[in-house]
Amino acid sequence: GAVVSQHPSRVICKSGTSVKIECRSLDFQATTMFWYRQFPKQSLMLMATSNEGSKATYEQGVEKDKFLINHASLTLSTLTVTSAHPEDSSFYICSARELGQGFDEQYFGPGTRLTVT
Amino acid sequence: QQQVKQSPQSLIVQKGGISIINCAYENTAFDYFPWYQQFPGKGPALLIAIRPDVSEKKEGRFTISFNKSAKQFSLHIMDSQPGDSATYFCAATRGTSYGKLTFGQGTILTVHP
Repeated sequence: GAVVSQHPSRVICKSGTSVKIECRSLDFQATTMFWYRQFPKQSLMLMATSNEGSKATYEQGVEKDKFLINHASLTLSTLTVTSAHPEDSSFYICSARELGQGFDEQYFGPGTRLTVT
Repeated sequence: QQQVKQSPQSLIVQKGGISIINCAYENTAFDYFPWYQQFPGKGPALLIAIRPDVSEKKEGRFTISFNKSAKQFSLHIMDSQPGDSATYFCAATRGTSYGKLTFGQGTILTVHP
């Protein structure tokens, strides 16, 4: 149980285009989903917290107009990187917290490797 | 005050040895301390977690030791195996943060056969 999927697993796009990444909780409902960014050999950096049906809360320094987050249902959150540039190339990981459970445990997705050329 | 400092940055251990990774925090409001294992190109997976009301928690070959007064916690991997070679992250969160995790910098563990 408690599986989180991400799609796509890898994406290559041209500079200036937009890319959408999906995060799904497959066997549970998620009150809250988190989006992280990870550069090679570095730690996870929280980008934003999204709650179903409300606006995402972005961490300081994260451009909300560039990284659009939508949490339309209890099992789906999407991250759209708009007007992507090479510096946006990174490993994007989502996590989900299960509805009705304690606040503690989060389940992570397998990540999406974004390469902007 | 939100930082979690992790050491060492990298660790090489022989098969069968004990791997020890340490973390220190400053925010006394943190009340949940998980450890994650991450393989290259994959998302982190929860290994084991502890709350400050206990000093030690053991699950199989993995043990967390927690020192509340020193604001430190550590992961011990007993009988380390080559399959344990991965990056390990400690993390911390507090009840009022709605699950926001603060991660340590990560430790790259290599277990030689």
